[in-house]
Amino acid sequence: EVQLVESGGGLVQPGESLRLSCAASGFTFSSYWMHWVRQAPGKGLVWVSRINNDGSSTSYADSVKGRFTISRDNAKNTLYLQMNSLRAEDTAVYYCTRTAYYFDCWGQGTLVTVSS
Amino acid sequence: DIVMTQSPDSLTVSLGERATISCKSSQSVLYSSNNKNHLAWYQQKPGQPPRLLIYWASTRESGVPDRFSGSGSGTDFTLTISSLQADDVAVYYCQQYFSIPYTFGQGTKLEIK
Repeated sequence: EVQLVESGGGLVQPGESLRLSCAASGFTFSSYWMHWVRQAPGKGLVWVSRINNDGSSTSYADSVKGRFTISRDNAKNTLYLQMNSLRAEDTAVYYCTRTAYYFDCWGQGTLVTVSS
Repeated sequence: DIVMTQSPDSLTVSLGERATISCKSSQSVLYSSNNKNHLAWYQQKPGQPPRLLIYWASTRESGVPDRFSGSGSGTDFTLTISSLQADDVAVYYCQQYFSIPYTFGQGTKLEIK
């Protein structure tokens, strides 16, 4: 069974950092590009970042560029999102997704709350 | 960035009736090299992650009931639920994967009348 399990969310203060993880199983992780998508409470879906299958190429939404870093460890079948200088507007559920162009598999999400 | 605009924002339909959601992109998402529309539809129920319903604008994902169908090309797309079931209550999103940043529509909330 294809599965993505996010972890690492929590409550942090503005300006602090957090690292999210996404553990993948049930498929050949190293063959897929991966993305992070977030959803603020009661709001819609917003694409955050993507990484290619070997980690050599990344892209970011303008709203997180320079603050967030996506990475992966194919030996551990794990995707990461390092989030620095967090702001209140980063508060959201963060989903990792597998992509074969479209997002065909989603994790359950991990909630990040940025508040003083 | 490609802007995706869905209509309506909310929709109330009777059980067994047809539901239709529109999605328009600010530029074409038809990729000439593969002649495919880079457009997907997702369903999201409360407290759950999104679920892929349709990709390439009209290809139904495995396991998705055949009452769900997608159509359209270029900049205008439609998701149709042919006979609404109670389990279809959800928010529906279109998304373009033609170019980074991948963008979603604002969502359409579907309810039962």
